[in-house]
Formats: sequence, structure tokens, C-alpha cells
Amino acid sequence: NAGVTQTPKFRILKIGQSMTLQCTQDMNHNYMYWYRQDPGMGLKLIYYSVGAGITDKGEVPNGYNVSRSTTEDFPLRLELAAPSQTSVYFCASSPHRATETMNTEAFFGQGTRLTVV
Amino acid sequence: QKEVEQNSGPLSVPEGAIASLNCTYSDRVSQSFFWYRQYSGKSPELIMSIYSNGDKEDGRFTAQLNKASQYVSLLIRDSQPSDSATYLCAFRQAGGTSYGKLTFGQGTILTVHP
Repeated sequence: NAGVTQTPKFRILKIGQSMTLQCTQDMNHNYMYWYRQDPGMGLKLIYYSVGAGITDKGEVPNGYNVSRSTTEDFPLRLELAAPSQTSVYFCASSPHRATETMNTEAFFGQGTRLTVV
Repeated sequence: QKEVEQNSGPLSVPEGAIASLNCTYSDRVSQSFFWYRQYSGKSPELIMSIYSNGDKEDGRFTAQLNKASQYVSLLIRDSQPSDSATYLCAFRQAGGTSYGKLTFGQGTILTVHP
């Protein structure tokens, strides 16, 4: 049981380049989230999804796109990278309802540290 | 108004003292509330979840929820240097157009000094 897996762990992009941050979870969670965290700050929600085929914008969606074609995968696409997108990106997933053995807390991946130069 | 606000830090307490962390939220349909701890360079990890009004205790940690006042807090008793980290509160919306949205506060840095 790997939990939430993010790839890559580190990446340097040049201004104007594009890339996809991968996120996959093996816990059959309905909910998935993408956050960015700037130094000394909290987590800002970029996009989230409550199930396959459903995505919604968070607080800071500009410059990003997502898709949710399967329950397991929730990739984040950066188009035309800008220095303002330099940040640490976290993907998370959670169940949509509690069970006897599981609450509804979010589980996080290890993060992707992205630098745009 | 921000959706969630935490008491400003950083917060410094001596070892063995009680650390008190506070959080207010604006959404009245929120149903699930969480406290996460994040060490520098690491991912957030769950400390406590709370869903009903009142207190919930787990070891040295106590979460308190008051939905009428839209307020959730975390008390850490007998604080240890290993508790030094950033603490993040979060809530999940249970209805409306933002169903399932999980929002975090800006975090409070806690330092426990020997």
C-alpha cells in the first residue's frame, strides 16, 4: 500500500516550458487535491476533485489545469511556466465518508519542489 | 474575509508548558475539522480530526470545536522540543457548490524551547 505517490520530487523548468506533475493514490479515495506551498506559508488549494470526471477550482487555479479520468490519478498540468509558480506542490487524497477503520482525513504525497528560472 | 484564519505566530513556549493554537473559519456548512503538523521540508501529517462540538483528547493533544462560534483550537500539554513544527488547521465543506473542498489556514509556527 503506497498511499499517495507524486512524481517528480524535484524539477527545474525554464520560463515558458510546460510540465505535468503526476499524482496517484491506491487507497480508492474519492477526493483528491492539489496544493502549493510557498516558503513560510500555508497550503493554497489549486484544484480539487470529488470523483472521477469532476474537478473544481480552488483559490489559485490560474496557470494550471487538471483532469481526473480515473479514481487513482489526478495530474496537474502547468502551461507556460512562470517564476511565480516556483513552489512546493502537494497532492492529497481522502475518503469521502468515514468508516469503522478510517476517518476522512487527507493523506499527502511527499511533494514536488518546482523551480522556474 | 479569509475562509480560515489561525492565530498569528510564531508561538514560543517552554518545555512542559501548554501550547494553545486557535483557528476560526467562515463557512457555516463545514463539517470536518483537522489539525495537521508539518516539519520543515516534510509533508503535513494528521494530528487530530474532530467532527462534533466539544472536546476530543488524544494523548497530549486536545482539540476543541465550537461550531456556533466557528472556532476550533488545539491544546498541546507537556510540550516537548519535538513538538516544534508548523501547525495547520483545515476544514472540509460539506455542502453547497464547494462540496468536498478542503481549505487550510496559513499555519502557526510553534517552538518549544528546553
